[in-house]
Amino acid sequence: DADVTQTPRNRITKTGKRIMLECSQTKGHDRMYWYRQDPGLGLRLIYYSFDVKDINKGEISDGYSVSRQAQAKFSLSLESAIPNQTALYFCATSDPSPRGVAGELFFGEGSRLTVL
Amino acid sequence: GESVGLHLPTLSVQEGDNSIINCAYSNSASDYFIWYKQESGKGPQFIIDIRSNMDKRQGQRVTVLLNKTVKHLSLQIAATQPGDSAVYFCAERPVNSGGSNYKLTFGKGTLLTVNP
Repeated sequence: DADVTQTPRNRITKTGKRIMLECSQTKGHDRMYWYRQDPGLGLRLIYYSFDVKDINKGEISDGYSVSRQAQAKFSLSLESAIPNQTALYFCATSDPSPRGVAGELFFGEGSRLTVL
Repeated sequence: GESVGLHLPTLSVQEGDNSIINCAYSNSASDYFIWYKQESGKGPQFIIDIRSNMDKRQGQRVTVLLNKTVKHLSLQIAATQPGDSAVYFCAERPVNSGGSNYKLTFGKGTLLTVNP
């Protein structure tokens, strides 16, 4: 089983609909992230969370919100989806402890969202 | 603004050959660099990292070279195999990040295709 699991893997929705992408992890990491990937662009950070009570905006947070329900769960919501939010979304975790590799993010397999 | 970029968007090599994937960075304040591999339909996976006080680091079949003079990073893959076919991303982190991965900036990626 994957250490970082994203659901759904694929979703097609219509403009104006509310969408939630869910992420759960079994790695025991405190730090979780949501990224967006568009063709020809690098990964861009939407939100990140260092623990259950810590939520921070990333580079492109407008139009998105997140919820850290537990150490293992971090969900991303699009309150009113629009077509330019069509993208591949990745959840990731990292281990800031000395055991972890500094720049190593552990990614889920992605959630492909299409907004019509 | 400063960004991480790649010289070549695609690279095609023969199985068994060595591959070199390049990355140019413009933020002279970056002190930590990472390479990720993303196979089709999967999330990015950490390959190797290097700190700015080094100019070379070797892993298993991979070597990362850092030339701070010209702000250039490369990933060398020895004896390239079909399983190496993927998109490769470089990422950088500025020295004032406090070691936090939320400040990672990702490049756009190079698609490596290995021909049998």
